[in-house]
Amino acid sequence: AQSVSQHNHHVILSEAASLELGCNYSYGGTVNLFWYVQYPGQHLQLLLKYFSGDPLVKGIKGFEAEFIKSKFSFNLRKPSVQWSDTAEYFCAVNARNTGFQKLVFGTGTRLLVSP
Amino acid sequence: GAGVSQSPSNKVTEKGKDVELRCDPISGHTALYWYRQSLGQGLEFLIYFQGNSAPDKSGLPSDRFSAERTGGSVSTLTIQRTQQEDSAVYLCASSLYTGGTQETQYFGPGTRLLVL
Repeated sequence: AQSVSQHNHHVILSEAASLELGCNYSYGGTVNLFWYVQYPGQHLQLLLKYFSGDPLVKGIKGFEAEFIKSKFSFNLRKPSVQWSDTAEYFCAVNARNTGFQKLVFGTGTRLLVSP
Repeated sequence: GAGVSQSPSNKVTEKGKDVELRCDPISGHTALYWYRQSLGQGLEFLIYFQGNSAPDKSGLPSDRFSAERTGGSVSTLTIQRTQQEDSAVYLCASSLYTGGTQETQYFGPGTRLLVL
């Protein structure tokens, strides 16, 4: 069975600080990887995704993530955070080529950016 | 275009009552998923519909939970004899089916269910 680990449950940063949120998954086959974000009072939105190709993917709002297959990791990064990045971030994975793409989510990381 | 919509946005019910939650997927999306987001369990998959195929119910936590999808579009999640542990946010997502390889799921705003 697949599982996803997000090691940082709460992160507090000052504006302009750099961000890296860890995500590791457990699954032996080919996977698709996603980061979703949930801003306060809003619904889950797709931040970025990796299906294949260049392991460094860029998403919205200056976020990027790198898929490192050997480490089963898909860490999220942003060079300089803004107060508006305060949100909960979820890493998710599904198994490709199964005909059924249910997402398995990590427990989420709450990011608070202080102005 | 319009995103995934869900109704009601909030539902308060008494223990033992039945509730129905509705999801309208993005037009043209044939794959539809229900998830549950709760404090103790995080985000969990519940059920999956794809076209006219039999739904995958492997994530439903008990036989009190059921779901249907009429006409390949709108879906209803029904919880019978609600219990306090059913309190959660119920999320619906839809995607454009591409053979089950590289699909992106788009989520609705959820229904926040509180069972008293």
